[in-house]
Amino acid sequence: AQKVTQAQTEISVVEKEDVTLDCVYETRDTTYYLFWYKQPPSGELVFLIRRNSFDEQNEISGRYSWNFQKSTSSFNFTITASQVVDSAVYFCALSEAVGNTGKLIFGQGTTLQVKP
Amino acid sequence: EAGVAQSPRYKIIEKRQSVAFWCNPISGHATLYWYQQILGQGPKLLIQFQNNGVVDDSQLPKDRFSAERLKGVDSTLKIQPAKLEDSAVYLCASSLARGPYEQYFGPGTRLTVT
Repeated sequence: AQKVTQAQTEISVVEKEDVTLDCVYETRDTTYYLFWYKQPPSGELVFLIRRNSFDEQNEISGRYSWNFQKSTSSFNFTITASQVVDSAVYFCALSEAVGNTGKLIFGQGTTLQVKP
Repeated sequence: EAGVAQSPRYKIIEKRQSVAFWCNPISGHATLYWYQQILGQGPKLLIQFQNNGVVDDSQLPKDRFSAERLKGVDSTLKIQPAKLEDSAVYLCASSLARGPYEQYFGPGTRLTVT
């Protein structure tokens, strides 16, 4: 069965600190996709990144970086030099290729609070 | 480009009443999703449409929930009768096509059942 686990419920950091959000997934498929979404207080989920299971290269986008490790079924997200505007709930999600539905299985989310 | 529109933003009803939510996806997006997000949890898919056809409604409580997308554009999700455990945010999302593509989410409708 597919499952996404975000063990960190809440994280609090001071501005400019680096922070890593953990994501562990379970799937029996060999082809799948992993996502990160940000949910600010306004409520809309905002897409951050999508990776497929065949691409294990780490990715960097500005202050954001992602570390995908198939060996440990993890897809962790790091924010470098955090800012107050990064405060939000972050969700990791899994989509399996079978059936090609695009259905997302979300983790429970990690609430990040960045204090000034 | 306009985003995904949802209305109402907030709704308070008593248990056993009925309620309907509306969603207008991004123009041209063939795939539409309805998710339920209970407080403190991640969104859970209720139903997925491809144009005006249902792709997946395996997690929709069909005894009380119904949804339609008659013309393949906007969609309505209905609950009748509502239960206390239906209190949640109902999120609508759309994507260009069926598959593991970026989904664009609306602001959601926060439902409180008393």
